[in-house]
Amino acid sequence: NFMLTQPHSVSESPGKTVTISCTRSSGSIVGNNVQWYQQRPGRAPTTVIFEHNQRPSGVPDRFSGSIDISSNSASLTIAGLKTEDEADYFCQSFDSTSRVFGGGTKLTVL
Amino acid sequence: EVLLEESGGGLVKPGGSLRLSCAASGFTFSSYNMNWVRQAPGKGLEWVSLISSSSSYMLYADSMKGRFIISRDNAKNSLYLQMNSLRVDDTAVYYCARERAGGPDFWGQGTLVTVSS
Repeated sequence: NFMLTQPHSVSESPGKTVTISCTRSSGSIVGNNVQWYQQRPGRAPTTVIFEHNQRPSGVPDRFSGSIDISSNSASLTIAGLKTEDEADYFCQSFDSTSRVFGGGTKLTVL
Repeated sequence: EVLLEESGGGLVKPGGSLRLSCAASGFTFSSYNMNWVRQAPGKGLEWVSLISSSSSYMLYADSMKGRFIISRDNAKNSLYLQMNSLRVDDTAVYYCARERAGGPDFWGQGTLVTVSS
């Protein structure tokens, strides 16, 4: 099985842009869709990005996803940060026998 | 509106068993693969198991193989997780999640399973 590695925490000021990385240990990042989830305290996760860079309806276009083949990683970028964006963010991908989540990144907006 | 509602959680002793259920509505349940995902207190998300839309295949995380059994009843729009030989480290909120393109897209609110003597 592969692993997805995320930074433990990031922080940024309101109005700024933050990027959260997710590095895949083995297997191709491009060949297996990456999803990103937002989880606020005490709540269930919700999808903010699916299939690498697609936004579900209702997710603002301040949220974007991308992949970098050279580093076998995915990234979630949140522009124009708002205090309501403060949450845990998890990346997720898969192979033929499993689904895998990254360890999660705590985003602090201060 | 897609709705997923888990039930069946509770307190169980180590070595005991529990069966979780997930009632689905708002979409064609029989067309989607379904997942169980869990989250231990203060920890991250951990994938547990997946079942294909027609129950033709099931996948399990290594630590659950041989102890957990996923199943579904498409006629009842329901997903199940039979958990046996429960351990203290199985304590978590268990989420039911619909699958799309290799990952969950919609999630239930979760049900808490506590394994303690």
